[in-house]
Amino acid sequence: GAVVSQHPSWVICKSGTSVKIECRSLDFQATTMFWYRQFPKQSLMLMATSNEGSKATYEQGVEKDKFLINHASLTLSTLTVTSAHPEDSSFYICSARAEGTDTQYFGPGTRLTVL
Amino acid sequence: AQSVTQPDIHITVSEGASLELRCNYSYGATPYLFWYVQSPGQGLQLLLKYFSGDTLVQGIKGFEAEFKRSQSSFNLRKPSVHWSDAAEYFCALNQGGKLIFGQGTELSVKP
Repeated sequence: GAVVSQHPSWVICKSGTSVKIECRSLDFQATTMFWYRQFPKQSLMLMATSNEGSKATYEQGVEKDKFLINHASLTLSTLTVTSAHPEDSSFYICSARAEGTDTQYFGPGTRLTVL
Repeated sequence: AQSVTQPDIHITVSEGASLELRCNYSYGATPYLFWYVQSPGQGLQLLLKYFSGDTLVQGIKGFEAEFKRSQSSFNLRKPSVHWSDAAEYFCALNQGGKLIFGQGTELSVKP
């Protein structure tokens, strides 16, 4: 149980284009989903928290107009990197948490490379 | 401020040897603590968690962790390491529903 998937697992795009990453909870309803960014050999950096049906809450320093988050259902959240640039290249990981619980379950991550 | 510290950036152990990964936390109340493992290019897998009760917590893959309030520690242990345990290990603290991660400890296993 508690499986989270991400799609795509990797993506390469040209500078200036937008990329959408999906995060799905497969066997539970995720009232809250989180988006993280991870640089090589570093820990995870929380970008934003999204609750189903509400606007996402962004961490300080994260541009909400650049990283658009939508959590339209209890099993799906999307992260759109708009007008991507090479510095946006990173490993993006989502996690999901069921209502009334304190445990986050993580997706397998998405490797974004912006050329 | 709440924080999580993993003092060891990289540890190498021989296959079959015992393992202990250190985690120290700073938190005013009773902490909710987690250990996650990350294989290269993968997401994080939950190994175990501590919320309350028995301070010795059993997890998956033969791992256990002991919560010691007096030492503000939550060290991860395994009696006999397997080559497949080579990975990055993260200790995390729940703060207001968000996770605060340590810097991670990279575990290498030598034959």
